[in-house]
Amino acid sequence: RKEVEQDPGPFNVPEGATVAFNCTYSNSASQSFFWYRQDCRKEPKLLMSVYSSGNEDGRFTAQLNRASQYISLLIRDSKLSDSATYLCAVKGDSWGKFQFGAGTQVVVTP
Amino acid sequence: GAVVSQHPSRVICKSGTSVKIECRSLDFQATTMFWYRQFPKQSLMLMATSNEGSKATYEQGVEKDKFLINHASLTLSTLTVTSAHPEDSSFYICSAHGLAGNSYEQYFGPGTRLTVT
Repeated sequence: RKEVEQDPGPFNVPEGATVAFNCTYSNSASQSFFWYRQDCRKEPKLLMSVYSSGNEDGRFTAQLNRASQYISLLIRDSKLSDSATYLCAVKGDSWGKFQFGAGTQVVVTP
Repeated sequence: GAVVSQHPSRVICKSGTSVKIECRSLDFQATTMFWYRQFPKQSLMLMATSNEGSKATYEQGVEKDKFLINHASLTLSTLTVTSAHPEDSSFYICSAHGLAGNSYEQYFGPGTRLTVT
C-alpha cells in the first residue's frame, strides 16, 4: 500500500462549480500536511498548509481528519485557471521529509 | 515565497555521459535539500536527502554511485547522474528546507528535464 494515495481523476468541473477530493495517508504519526498545485511540466507550488482545525484561503478549504487519516481540498467557484494537478504532501518527521501523493487532476471547463 | 533555482532547466545528453544539476537557495540558507524524480503522470519520488557538509541519505532503490549528491554549502546542492541511460530520462526537482522569513517550509526549484538519447 502506498503511503499517500489520491484519486488521479480527472475531475471535470464546470466553471463556477465546487469540487472536492481527498488524500489518504497510512502513517498515523504524520505531523504536517500540505496541498501543492502542479501545472503541466512545472514544479509543485505550495497551495496551502492543512491545519487540524481546518483552514480556508479564499475559494480553497482544506480539512484534516486524523481519525480516518485523510485530508481534503475543496475548491469553490472554480475558475478555468484552477485546472491543474493537486498533490497532497505529508510530512512524517520534524526535519522536512515529505511523502507525496500522485496527484489529482482537475479540469475546469467553460 | 523563497526562491530556489535549478540549472540547467533542460538537458539532452547521450547515453553513457554524466550530467550535473545544480540546486541553489537564493535568499535563505537551506539546512536540508531534497532531490526528487518525477516520471510522467506519477508522483514525486524522493531520491535522497542531503545535509550541508555530510553524506546524502538515499531512499531505498536509489543507487548512490549512480546519483552523486554533493551539498557543499548551505545554498548549493548538486546531483550528478553518472553514466546516464534512457531510463534515467525524467523530471528532476530539488527542494530546499530552511527558514525563509518567519517560517520553515520546503521550497521547490523549477525542475530539470533530462532526456537521455
